[in-house]
Amino acid sequence: DAGVIQSPRHEVTEMGQEVTLRCKPISGHDYLFWYRQTMMRGLELLIYFNNNVPIDDSGMPEDRFSAKMPNASFSTLKIQPSEPRDSAVYFCASSSQGSSYEQYFGPGTRLTVT
Amino acid sequence: DQQVKQNSPSLSVQEGRISILNCDYTNSMFDYFLWYKKYPAEGPTFLISISSIKDKNEDGRFTVFLNKSAKHLSLHIVPSQPGDSAVYFCAAPLRNAGNMLTFGGGTRLMVKP
Repeated sequence: DAGVIQSPRHEVTEMGQEVTLRCKPISGHDYLFWYRQTMMRGLELLIYFNNNVPIDDSGMPEDRFSAKMPNASFSTLKIQPSEPRDSAVYFCASSSQGSSYEQYFGPGTRLTVT
Repeated sequence: DQQVKQNSPSLSVQEGRISILNCDYTNSMFDYFLWYKKYPAEGPTFLISISSIKDKNEDGRFTVFLNKSAKHLSLHIVPSQPGDSAVYFCAAPLRNAGNMLTFGGGTRLMVKP
């Protein structure tokens, strides 16, 4: 398997623009997680899905952030409008019910909002 | 409030010596712990785990020790190699929350040749 795939790897945008981050989980995994990593807050969970259904979005910072999982092989994290404080590395991870909690991470998307 | 804490942001060790990375937790209901390693520009990768029914788990050069009474776990790397230089995260699953993990803040390990 190719592992978790994220695109783009780098994104530079101006404040106020819409940003869409994409993730393809490992085939057969039924959990998908979106994380954000910053120097100040470390690795924080934004939202996770189980069988394409959002289960916990309490980590989503505000209404500017939204996430969808239209099918088992694709998820998006959208920021609209983007702000400089959204600059961070965003990771997607997936796991399966019987994996003893082990999550597999993608390479991340480094977002810079100017 | 962070339920898993790594109080040392960085650690520097000489090649060939032992590296000891520490992690403390506050939730006594945690019964499983994981360590992840992260290189720059890559996502975290799973390294080793331990169940609370054990106090030690070993995998090659990596050993994790769990002290439940102290709510403390540690990752030992022996011998340390320059390729071990990375950020290490400890994590624990939140019960009744699917496969959700809570992560510590990470410790940056630098192994000097």
